[in-house]
Amino acid sequence: DTGVSQNPRHKITKRGQNVTFRCDPISEHNRLYWYRQTLGQGPEFLTYFQNEAQLEKSRLLSDRFSAERPKGSFSTLEIQRTEQGDSAMYLCASSLAPSNQPQHFGDGTRLSIL
Amino acid sequence: AQTVTQSQPEMSVQEAETVTLSCTYDTSESDYYLFWYKQPPSRQMILVIRQEAYKQQNATENRFSVNFQKAAKSFSLKISDSQLGDAAMYFCAYRSKYNNNDMRFGAGTRLTVKP
Repeated sequence: DTGVSQNPRHKITKRGQNVTFRCDPISEHNRLYWYRQTLGQGPEFLTYFQNEAQLEKSRLLSDRFSAERPKGSFSTLEIQRTEQGDSAMYLCASSLAPSNQPQHFGDGTRLSIL
Repeated sequence: AQTVTQSQPEMSVQEAETVTLSCTYDTSESDYYLFWYKQPPSRQMILVIRQEAYKQQNATENRFSVNFQKAAKSFSLKISDSQLGDAAMYFCAYRSKYNNNDMRFGAGTRLTVKP
């Protein structure tokens, strides 16, 4: 069990640029989640996949955000035209069904917008 | 919508002593899951303990135990024999049994362990 892997660990970019993060879940986990965590707060749910299907998107996920999980394995989260308010830690988690199974988190990608 | 409240932004405990972290939640559902996660500085979030709402018995994992009061919608975490490695942010989380894509987290409690 290699755990949930996220890349990059840190991303610094200028406002207006596009960024893409990658998440590799635990291999046998069919559920994958993206969260955003700002300083001093708990993670906030962004979106969720079961296998390759994106089943739920939070209202926090504006149209500048898009997530994919093309083969039901790794996932990418892209933010277009980044804004200052996008600065946060982006966490990925994966789990098995059913819903009583705990989510296993990656180290996160810290995004800083200059 | 479910909300999770952690009323203690910071707590401190002396090494080897016991500390209790508070968590309350709001829900209209009768069956759900509750979790405590630990997030050490610059490290990933890891599960500490979980409780299923239909189980009356409080969950225990080694030095970690919970006091689950369903009627009061309270889910506190007790850490016994505190160790320096317990220092971290602790997040309480609620997950619906029926809407299983959404886990709600509290704002966290920063625990400091004094040697």
